[in-house]
Amino acid sequence: EVQLVQSGAEVKKPGESLTISCKTSGYRFSTYWIGWVRQLPGKGLEWMGIIYPTDSDTRYSPSFQGQVTISADQSTTTAYLQWSSLKASDSAMYYCARQWKFSSPNYGFEYWGQGTLVTVSS
Amino acid sequence: IQLTQSPSSLSASVGDRVSITCRASQGVSSYLTWYQQKPGKAPKLLIYAASTLQSGVPSRFSGSGSGTDFTLTISSLQPEDFATYYCQQLNSYPHTFGQGTKVEIK
Repeated sequence: EVQLVQSGAEVKKPGESLTISCKTSGYRFSTYWIGWVRQLPGKGLEWMGIIYPTDSDTRYSPSFQGQVTISADQSTTTAYLQWSSLKASDSAMYYCARQWKFSSPNYGFEYWGQGTLVTVSS
Repeated sequence: IQLTQSPSSLSASVGDRVSITCRASQGVSSYLTWYQQKPGKAPKLLIYAASTLQSGVPSRFSGSGSGTDFTLTISSLQPEDFATYYCQQLNSYPHTFGQGTKVEIK
């Protein structure tokens, strides 16, 4: 069974760093694109970026390029989303999700994590 | 590429036929996916490649279109279908989502 289990909710102060994780199981981690999606409170879905663990090929939305870092560790089959300096506007739910089609980024996210709520407040 | 869904919300009754459109600012071929999201839950993939029903999704859901204009149709709305629906283009980066269409009970 494919599972994506995200790390727990975080409460941080502006300027702090943060890494949230997405532990996967039940499939060959290296050969499926995995991505991150942001959802601001009461708002729609925003595509942040995607990574192919085999070669760490990473694509970012211009809206998030330079603001976050997406990475993947094949040894632990875990994907990560990292901030070096959080802002209050980063407060949102963050989902990791796996593309459904082997080695292709073009068909959609079939498997999703449960979401990680990040709250940034002074 | 920007995706514009219409309507942004709609009210419908159980048994109604419902259609949601998604228009892309540039052609996306058939790389268009539809999701359903219920409050407090992660999205669920319904249709990929514009018209292919994901395994396990009820056949009352269907998708059509290519290029810039796409439609998600629910042939007979069921109580469990009240949710927000999003389209996403996966033709070119960034893989943008539409703004969502909320389907509410009339």
